[in-house]
Amino acid sequence: SQTIHQWPATLVQPVGSPLSLECTVEGTSNPNLYWYRQAAGRGLQLLFYSVGIGQISSEVPQNLSASRPQDRQFILSSKKLLLSDSGFYLCAWSAGTGWGSYGYTFGSGTRLTVV
Amino acid sequence: KNQVEQSPQSLIILEGKNCTLQCNYTVSPFSNLRWYKQDTGRGPVSLTIMTFSENTKSNGRYTATLDADTKQSSLHITASQLSDSASYICVVSASGTYKYIFGTGTRLKVLA
Repeated sequence: SQTIHQWPATLVQPVGSPLSLECTVEGTSNPNLYWYRQAAGRGLQLLFYSVGIGQISSEVPQNLSASRPQDRQFILSSKKLLLSDSGFYLCAWSAGTGWGSYGYTFGSGTRLTVV
Repeated sequence: KNQVEQSPQSLIILEGKNCTLQCNYTVSPFSNLRWYKQDTGRGPVSLTIMTFSENTKSNGRYTATLDADTKQSSLHITASQLSDSASYICVVSASGTYKYIFGTGTRLKVLA
């Protein structure tokens, strides 16, 4: 069965420090991968999505970047964190084809607090 | 513009009561609609997935309906339990796209 792992679960970082959040998927190949951010009391905002290795699409201009060095690995990064980067970050995957009836599965999330 | 709107924004009910959450969408061309439950501080978990041809689908005490003509979906929770307290998110995907459109969710609080 497919599983998605996201870490760390919580993170407190000072302003100006770098960031690296990692997400990996097991049990499938060529997944579509997504990074979402959820501000307190708000809906999910799509940040990046990837349909293949090295293929990254950015949805909103921001202080963050994403990379997909391997088929089932998706990394969210920042060179210098801002206070506004605080939030709940979720990684998700969906099937590479035929997503119409396949699951869209989320990781357990990372609570990032920039201080 | 593709949008998903949910109502109510928040809801408080007593344990054992039933409730219905609404989702209206303008996504086109429609592919499928999903309801997710998100506990505080956790990732969303899928409850149901509905395609164009499905009108009703149940998952335990959760029953989702879909009216593709009016572009409306509902999630009915029967005999609510304290553990049902969570945010419920409606997500719609359009054909030919990798993206999903999320509603802002309904926050449900079940009181003893």
